[in-house]
Amino acid sequence: QSALTQPASVSGSPGQSITISCTGTSRDVGNYNLVSWYQQHPGKAPNLMIYEVNKRPSGVSDRFSGSKSGNTASLTISGLQAEDEADYYCCSYAGSSTFEVFGGGTKLTVL
Amino acid sequence: QVQLVQSGAEVKKPGASVKVSCKASGYTFTAYHLHWVRQAPGQGLEWMGWINPNSGGTVYAQMFQGRVTMTRDTSITAAYMELSRLRSDDTAVYYCARELTSGAVHYAFEIWGQGTMVTVSS
Repeated sequence: QSALTQPASVSGSPGQSITISCTGTSRDVGNYNLVSWYQQHPGKAPNLMIYEVNKRPSGVSDRFSGSKSGNTASLTISGLQAEDEADYYCCSYAGSSTFEVFGGGTKLTVL
Repeated sequence: QVQLVQSGAEVKKPGASVKVSCKASGYTFTAYHLHWVRQAPGQGLEWMGWINPNSGGTVYAQMFQGRVTMTRDTSITAAYMELSRLRSDDTAVYYCARELTSGAVHYAFEIWGQGTMVTVSS
């Protein structure tokens, strides 16, 4: 069982927007602005899409955005494209005892 | 270009140890922390710890304390992750990943190695 809770799957049609939630606790997501999101295509290493809740690394499309409210972080993908179909993982710092925790991952299907 | 290249797949027996290498190039090796993350087949990601290549300082996830050792060799810009007393549930792809920001640990893993499959089987 993962420390952060994500929906197992989400889906959307090309051009639509989807949001993936990531629910933690006041010991992790709710207490630190160190939430990141990763995209992983089958058989590949993950790619950093969002860091520090809502910042995009250089080269990541502005169709990807992040936010946080209380103990829940969210990743929104607008203008869905076929190549967005992948697994998405959230990750949060959880203090100097646990350090870092991941969500269980969400499979995004582009219909 | 900035890249991390890992060593090849390993097959180990239960109780043995494995040492995975991560060769860095294209940037100042000592400027960025390196993390290790693993992924069991069909499962999610699991953070194992990090090493500061400059000082050699390390932080390990509690569940790996006592079994994992992370080291580095600055002369060849390589980092290593050794996991001992292997069990079948250690079967996974092991990744090294570089921090986004130099000199800091923000747990933003910007550059990833290609992964090393470690299979533990009798």
